Amino acid sequence: NAGVTQTPKFQVLKTGQSMTLQCAQDMNHNSMYWYRQDPGMGLRLIYYSASEGTTDKGEVPNGYNVSRLNKREFSLRLESAAPSQTSVYFCASSVLTGEVTGNTIYFGEGSWLTVV
Amino acid sequence: RKEVEQDPGPFNVPEGATVAFNCTYSNSASQSFFWYRQDCRKEPKLLMSVYSSGNEDGRFTAQLNRASQYISLLIRDSKLSDSATYLCVVLNAGNMLTFGGGTRLMVKP
Repeated sequence: NAGVTQTPKFQVLKTGQSMTLQCAQDMNHNSMYWYRQDPGMGLRLIYYSASEGTTDKGEVPNGYNVSRLNKREFSLRLESAAPSQTSVYFCASSVLTGEVTGNTIYFGEGSWLTVV
Repeated sequence: RKEVEQDPGPFNVPEGATVAFNCTYSNSASQSFFWYRQDCRKEPKLLMSVYSSGNEDGRFTAQLNRASQYISLLIRDSKLSDSATYLCVVLNAGNMLTFGGGTRLMVKP
């Protein structure tokens, strides 16, 4: 069971370049998320998708776009990369139901992105 | 003020010690609470949910104080393998998770 798989794991970009981070989950979860993690800042939500066909902005959406291609896949695109987007990016999926016993979010292994 | 706040540490403790972390949250309507563990250069993983009555899982005990809006994590008999960053996570309305900045624990021989 692969869980949440994201690619690439490492990427170096030049300022102004574009790229797409890919994410797929095989747990049949409805909800998927993209977070970024910076030192001392914790995880901050960029975009999320509560279900196939829907996407919503999170806390820090500027400079990013997302696509929920189908139930399994949720991609994050940087159209014109900036040094401020140097970060670790985590994709996640969940079965959050509002009940404690049903609340678990699973993360991919992370993508380390450096923009120079 | 951050919605979920944690002391970043690091907490440096010897093996066998008992250590406790607190986390405060600002949204009184928060529904559910969790502790996640994150190892260096790895993804966060669920350590335990936090129930209103408090709950224990082996050497780990979690407590919730809704009146004061904080949750705690107690680790007894610390092991070297407990060294990690512990993330406080709060579930709010709309099933949105908010993460604290994490508390780093270093257990020394």
